[in-house]
Amino acid sequence: EPEVTQTPSHQVTQMGQEVILRCVPISNHLYFYWYRQILGQKVEFLVSFYNNEISEKSEIFDDQFSVERPDGSNFTLKIRSTKLEDSAMYFCASSEMEQGSGANVLTFGAGSRLTVL
Amino acid sequence: RKEVEQDPGPFNVPEGATVAFNCTYSNSASQSFFWYRQDCRKEPKLLMSVYSSGNEDGRFTAQLNRASQYISLLIRDSKLSDSATYLCVVNNDMRFGAGTRLTVKP
Repeated sequence: EPEVTQTPSHQVTQMGQEVILRCVPISNHLYFYWYRQILGQKVEFLVSFYNNEISEKSEIFDDQFSVERPDGSNFTLKIRSTKLEDSAMYFCASSEMEQGSGANVLTFGAGSRLTVL
Repeated sequence: RKEVEQDPGPFNVPEGATVAFNCTYSNSASQSFFWYRQDCRKEPKLLMSVYSSGNEDGRFTAQLNRASQYISLLIRDSKLSDSATYLCVVNNDMRFGAGTRLTVKP
C-alpha cells in the first residue's frame, strides 16, 4: 500500500535554530498538507499546497514557516528560529481528489516529532 | 461558534458495548465529511467517509444529519482494539475536530 514517508522521525534542536522536516508524498497525489499536533492537543492545520504553491494557510503558519517542493518527490516544511512552543508532532499528508465526491481523503505520514530545547 | 465540535469524551465502555459519537458543524454548505481514527502518538488514519444516505462498514455506521448539521459514528460490539481517539473532518478545508477519546475495557 502506498505510503507517505517523513524524515526525521524525531529531531531535537536548540531554540533559535532552523529545522527542515521532509516528506515524500504518495507519488500520484496532487495535494500536500502539513499539520501540527502539540502533545495532548488537537491536530491543527498549518498549510495546504497544490500546483507548486500554497493554496491555504492557517493563522499558525506565519513568517516563521515556509514550505517547498524542491523536486518531484519531496515536500518540506522549514521552521526558522524555532521557539519552545514549536515542540510538537508535525504530520505531512497528501491526497488526490476522491472520485465521485469531490472531496480529498488524506493519507498521513507517521510524523516528525520536534523537540525544541 | 467553532466550525467543528465533537463530544469531548472520554468514553469508557465495556467490551461488546455500542457507543456513538457526534460531530456538529456550523457551515451549512459543507459537502464532505470523514471520520478518522488516531491511536496514541500515531498519525490519523481514515476510518470512513460519511455519505449523505449513511453508510456502514462492518461494526461501524456513519450518518449525516443535514437538518441538524451533525455527523455521527456508531460502533457496535466494541473491541479492545477500538480504543483510540476519533476525529471528524468536515468540508474540504480538511480541518479536524478536537477528537473524542474512546477506551474499551475488558
